Amino acid sequence: SQTIHQWPATLVQPVGSPLSLECTVEGTSNPNLYWYRQAAGRGLQLLFYSVGIGQISSEVPQNLSASRPQDRQFILSSKKLLLSDSGFYLCASQGDRGREQYFGPGTRLTVT
Amino acid sequence: GEDVEQSLFLSVREGDSSVINCTYTDSSSTYLYWYKQEPGAGLQLLTYIFSNMDMKQDQRLTVLLNKKDKHLSLRIADTQTGDSAIYFCAEIYSGNTPLVFGKGTRLSVIA
Repeated sequence: SQTIHQWPATLVQPVGSPLSLECTVEGTSNPNLYWYRQAAGRGLQLLFYSVGIGQISSEVPQNLSASRPQDRQFILSSKKLLLSDSGFYLCASQGDRGREQYFGPGTRLTVT
Repeated sequence: GEDVEQSLFLSVREGDSSVINCTYTDSSSTYLYWYKQEPGAGLQLLTYIFSNMDMKQDQRLTVLLNKKDKHLSLRIADTQTGDSAIYFCAEIYSGNTPLVFGKGTRLSVIA
């Protein structure tokens, strides 16, 4: 099975500062990659997904962006954070058979 | 349409069976999933079922699928305190589309 790494694990950033969250995947090639945000420990909001290098689909319009510079690397960025960007950010990878989607450990972001 | 519904809370006594229910709206779903999320952690894939099956068992977990009613359930036998978590139901239509998740059911196990 796959292993998904996310860093940092926790982050406290002031409003207006930039953001870069990184996700890397081991144990598969050419996976579909996803960024989700989870607020208040409940439902998942799909932010971005990618079916290949340089291919990004955005699900919600906001001040976040995503990039996939390498096959198994997915980056979530922002130029200027808002308070509403606080949350638990999860990266996920959908493997070779397309059936199983695995999640990373998440990054807890607090915008102050 | 894409919508997955789950009840928000379930409370059971240790040793009893838990049944977590989920309904979905798209009959063309190919796979249906159950994930477990413990506090502060990512989602752990518990099990999944192909839409042409009606049951799958894996140790203490039993998944039942009623495709006619678009109803999926997860039964946990002999529920333990370590089973306390949020359980998410999800569906997928094809390999290159994102999973659609329910909002999660918080299972509390009372000792």
